[in-house]
Parts: sequence; structure tokens; C-alpha cells
Amino acid sequence: GNSVTQMEGPVTLSEEAFLTINCTYTATGYPSLFWYVQYPGEGLQLLLKATKADDKGSNKGFEATYRKETTSFHLEKGSVQVSDSAVYFCALSVYSTLTFGKGTMLLVSP
Amino acid sequence: DTAVSQTPKYLVTQMGNDKSIKCEQNLGHDTMYWYKQDSKKFLKIMFSYNNKELIINETVPNRFSPKSPDKAHLNLHINSLELGDSAVYFCASSQTAGGKHYEQYFGPGTRLTVT
Repeated sequence: GNSVTQMEGPVTLSEEAFLTINCTYTATGYPSLFWYVQYPGEGLQLLLKATKADDKGSNKGFEATYRKETTSFHLEKGSVQVSDSAVYFCALSVYSTLTFGKGTMLLVSP
Repeated sequence: DTAVSQTPKYLVTQMGNDKSIKCEQNLGHDTMYWYKQDSKKFLKIMFSYNNKELIINETVPNRFSPKSPDKAHLNLHINSLELGDSAVYFCASSQTAGGKHYEQYFGPGTRLTVT
């Protein structure tokens, strides 16, 4: 079956630090990969996506590259802000619904 | 111009009651979903409807019954509420093309508290 594994949080960083949140997946077929973000008290928002191997998704300074050889889709940002504090979900889709990872909470302090 | 909306945002009720949560999307998508998010933020698919037809029904108690009057609406009715039903319920929608589902757009969630 399909599954997504994310690093456990919380990840605690100071403002302007470099962020990496690891995500690996197992899938049958050729998945599309996504990162969603959930700010406190809100629903999930699509942050970025990649639909095939070697694609790089990017948005708001966040990036993730679809690595088929390592079955990974790690999220990175060069300089985090306090406003990036949220829960980040890695997810995959193969002709069906999304399979989510368990989420990683990011806390950024000034 | 909200894309996916849910009502109510908060719902507090007693055990044994029956309640409904409504969801509407104005994105013209053909597929809608219900997810349950537990206290540890874990998200689990409950149901999926494509053009008003049920296509996914995960292991969910039959006290939960989705209803889709048209492809823009997917409501969730819950009978005989239990303490363990307390969670945040998210509605989502997506468009399919060539049998493939594209990214999903989520509503703001309904926080259900059963006392």
C-alpha cells in the first residue's frame, strides 16, 4: 500500500535559520507528491507539489524535489520566519485520494 | 468567494445526539472528501464522492453517513454521537482528469466536541 513517513516534530528554529523537514514515501505506481501547511486554527493549504521524478515544487521560499531514487520529497527553506510556524504535511496521490504523513510541527522563535 | 466552505465551524453536543456538518465548494470540482483529524493532528480519509457517487468508504462506523445532493455539496451526518467522535472534520475537493485526482483544496474545518 501507499504510505508517507515524516520526521517527528516539533522542529524548533530561530528566525532566519535553515529548514529541512524530511519526507519519504512508499507507493505503488507513480505518485504525485505534495506538501500542505496547516496554520493554527485553520484548514490545510497546498504549499507546493511535484508530479514526476526530478520535478521541483516551490512556493513562498519553500522548495522540495521529487527524488524517485531515494523515494523522498524533503521540504526546505533557506530562511524561516515566525509566520512560518505551522504544521506541515507531506502527502502522495496515486489515482486516488491523498495519503498523508503524520505532520511535522514547526515552531519559529524571534 | 470562499472556495470550500463548511458549517458550522464549531459544534458542541452531548453523547447520543445526531448532528450534521455541511460542505460546499464553488470550484467546479467533481470529487469531494471528508477527513477526520484527531488530537495528534493525524489526518484520515473517511469518504470520497465523485459526481455524487460514493467511491471511497474507509473503515468508518455506520453511524457516519455522507450525503451528496449535487457535486458541489457533500454533507456528513453523524448519529448517536460518542466521545471518540470528537475531532476536527475537514471537507476537501479536487478535480479528476484521465482517472487521476489532482491536488485537493480543503475547507476550514469543523471542530466537533462531544461531551
